[in-house]
Amino acid sequence: DGGITQSPKYLFRKEGQNVTLSCEQNLNHDAMYWYRQDPGQGLRLIYYSQIVNDFQKGDIAEGYSVSREKKESFPLTVTSAQKNPTAFYLCASNDGEIHEQYFGPGTRLTVT
Amino acid sequence: GQNIDQPTEMTATEGAIVQINCTYQTSGFNGLFWYQQHAGEAPTFLSYNVLDGLEEKGRFSSFLSRSKGYSYLLLKELQMKDSASYLCAVLDSNYQLIWGAGTKLIIKP
Repeated sequence: DGGITQSPKYLFRKEGQNVTLSCEQNLNHDAMYWYRQDPGQGLRLIYYSQIVNDFQKGDIAEGYSVSREKKESFPLTVTSAQKNPTAFYLCASNDGEIHEQYFGPGTRLTVT
Repeated sequence: GQNIDQPTEMTATEGAIVQINCTYQTSGFNGLFWYQQHAGEAPTFLSYNVLDGLEEKGRFSSFLSRSKGYSYLLLKELQMKDSASYLCAVLDSNYQLIWGAGTKLIIKP
């Protein structure tokens, strides 16, 4: 079955450590996105990529980095520069023609 | 700036009908989406409107008025499993999705 996988579901880290969240899709979609969701708030765009080896900052890119070396993969690194990293992180993709976004199951990151 | 407004929370009774409103002010408009999100899970697609009018899909319907910057999601014959957050999102002139904060719908027996 085609879809988006994110792992792990829950991730715990100590403050000051970088952490990388994985996102893999086998939908053959060109565009991929990373969102952050905090309680009571909508989804906020961190980074997006519309093609391999290219990506753009979203609204809240500070403290995050991404890479897009393969069409299927779009990992997100939460660096120690991110002031409030504890959140629910969602990866999504679409094929660029139909703008419906397909979401992975999400990773809940807790930094203490 | 870009803005999408939805009620924070609504309560309805099992078997009843509920309407969740969404108003938006965005730079450009290329369509409006409704997603359902159960607690701790990813959003799932419900509907897409780009032209004015009502789109019906089973128990769920979505309405759009572009001139008023307004949409609603209508849920009929409510079931307990409909308890979730409902997210409104607008595709702006750059084809980026602008998300509302979501409406938490609580269904009571």
